[in-house]
Amino acid sequence: QKEVEQNSGPLSVPEGAIASLNCTYSDRGSQSFFWYRQYSGKSPELIMFIYSNGDKEDGRFTAQLNKASQYVSLLIRDSQPSDSATYLCAVTLSSGGSYIPTFGRGTSLIVHP
Amino acid sequence: EAGVTQFPSHSVIEKGQTVTLRCDPISGHDNLYWYRRVMGKEIKFLLHFVKESKQDESGMPNNRFLAERTGGTYSTLKVQPAELEDSGVYFCASSQYGNQPQHFGDGTRLSIL
Repeated sequence: QKEVEQNSGPLSVPEGAIASLNCTYSDRGSQSFFWYRQYSGKSPELIMFIYSNGDKEDGRFTAQLNKASQYVSLLIRDSQPSDSATYLCAVTLSSGGSYIPTFGRGTSLIVHP
Repeated sequence: EAGVTQFPSHSVIEKGQTVTLRCDPISGHDNLYWYRRVMGKEIKFLLHFVKESKQDESGMPNNRFLAERTGGTYSTLKVQPAELEDSGVYFCASSQYGNQPQHFGDGTRLSIL
């Protein structure tokens, strides 16, 4: 059974610091990796996606993928209180042409002023 | 561009009643997905439509759940009869192609009393 593991947190960081969120996955055949941000009562919002080993940067966000170690991380630089939310890791394994993501339970991030 | 919309946002019904949830995907998105999140658990896949066809319904919990997507536009998810364990937040998501990141709606919070 495919599993995606995240520390539920909460992860508390001061404003301006780097927040590091981690995710491990069980299926070595996983192909696509996504980070979603979800505010309470709202829809998951796509933040980053990464397909290849290494780093991918977009503004204050950097996704890091290490397929050999089966983990993907999200770094948030210069954290702001508005970044406080739950961050969901999702991993996709193509199965018969249906790219269905498996989600982790999410990590709660609190950025305090 | 309008996002994925879901209706209703909340529904409270008694055990044994019927409830129908609706999802309007982003215009032009052939792929439509239903998910459910039970309190304290991760988001779980229910089923996947490509246009009006069910591509994958492996996540549907039992035959009390019926999803349709007539005409390949909006979709409905009917629960009949509802049971207590059906409570949770039901999310809909869509994408233009199957291997693209999905855009989520705000979800329908379903409470069974």
